[in-house]
Amino acid sequence: DAGVIQSPRHEVTEMGQEVTLRCKPISGHNSLFWYRQTMMRGLELLIYFNNNVPIDDSGMPEDRFSAKMPNASFSTLKIQPSEPRDSAVYFCASRMRHNEQFFGPGTRLTVL
Amino acid sequence: GENVEQHPSTLSVQEGDSAVIKCTYSDSASNYFPWYKQELGKRPQLIIDIRSNVGEKKDQRIAVTLNKTAKHFSLHITETQPEDSAVYFCAAYYTGTASKLTFGTGTRLQVTL
Repeated sequence: DAGVIQSPRHEVTEMGQEVTLRCKPISGHNSLFWYRQTMMRGLELLIYFNNNVPIDDSGMPEDRFSAKMPNASFSTLKIQPSEPRDSAVYFCASRMRHNEQFFGPGTRLTVL
Repeated sequence: GENVEQHPSTLSVQEGDSAVIKCTYSDSASNYFPWYKQELGKRPQLIIDIRSNVGEKKDQRIAVTLNKTAKHFSLHITETQPEDSAVYFCAAYYTGTASKLTFGTGTRLQVTL
């Protein structure tokens, strides 16, 4: 298995632009998580899905952030419009119930 | 919800010494406690985990202990090496529902020569 796949690995964009981050979880995993990591705030859970259904989005910072999981093998995290304070590393992770959680390689987002 | 506290936030040890990182959790229903290691610029990776029916687990130079009564668990690294330098995160969750891992705030371990 290739593990959790994220794209792009790096994204540089200008303030106000739309950013879409993508994640492919490990096949067979039924839970998917989006995290944001910064030096100041550490590792923050933004939203997670179970069986493609959003369970808890209380960590989504504001309405500019949205996430979808249209099927078991794909999820997106969208920021529209992006702001410089959104610059961070965004990790996707997946897990099969009762088992360990695996992280993807992350997307490093820079908003100028 | 669950709350996990982790100490210390930074730890510096000399090569060959032992390192201990401690975490406490609040939800007595939590029954799975993983530890993740994150090297600079890399993703967090699971290094060891323990379930609530076990008091201690060991894997070569790393071990984890769990005290359910006191609701705390610890990571022990013996004979530390420079490659052990990283940020370590503890976490806790209840596997019985579609719940989330609650992470500690991380410990930056520096192993000096």
